[in-house]
Amino acid sequence: DQQVKQNSPSLSVQEGRISILNCDYTNSMFDYFLWYKKYPAEGPTFLISISSIKDKNEDGRFTVFLNKSAKHLSLHIVPSQPGDSAVYFCAARGYSGGGADGLTFGKGTHLIIQP
Amino acid sequence: DVKVTQSSRYLVKRTGEKVFLECVQDMDHENMFWYRQDPGLGLRLIYFSYDVKMKEKGDIPEGYSVSREKKERFSLILESASTNQTSMYLCASGSGGRSYNEQFFGPGTRLTVL
Repeated sequence: DQQVKQNSPSLSVQEGRISILNCDYTNSMFDYFLWYKKYPAEGPTFLISISSIKDKNEDGRFTVFLNKSAKHLSLHIVPSQPGDSAVYFCAARGYSGGGADGLTFGKGTHLIIQP
Repeated sequence: DVKVTQSSRYLVKRTGEKVFLECVQDMDHENMFWYRQDPGLGLRLIYFSYDVKMKEKGDIPEGYSVSREKKERFSLILESASTNQTSMYLCASGSGGRSYNEQFFGPGTRLTVL
């Protein structure tokens, strides 16, 4: 049962336009959400995060929005640049017992920025 | 900069072999994690550790064990490698105890089991 879903395996966006990557989750115990970016043959790199008590977090060209009632978050990249072409993973932190568990990841969305 | 290193980038082993994957972090992080990444499945948590000599099972611990004898080192052990354990293995570390925020990942080890 997939608790973090990224329903678009790939997304193609023109350079300079806005990229919007979506993520849905089912577990209401998730309290912290993260986006990671991954290039081939490298480990994921942290991009941006948001606590469940907030609805928006912005860092330069990257903004993450959280709609808790819909259990939905999105990552906006504007303007999109060629170096943004990568696989983006949505991840969520859950709690059990005495504290946080490991992250639960979505399957990823491959973002392709077209020149 | 946080540095997480993994002992090998590529590894080829035979079915039934015992395999050790080593991970070292240099930022004195309490938390360390092992994931595997497979096409179409994203990253899945195998085991994690919040302190030396402590370990907890993740979502897919079957066929794996771990060891954390020192704070900076977290080893993943495949007791008897099987072909379905062919995968990319990613180690991560993070601070903040059980209220950690982001995790920092190593470059990964691509393991092939023949």
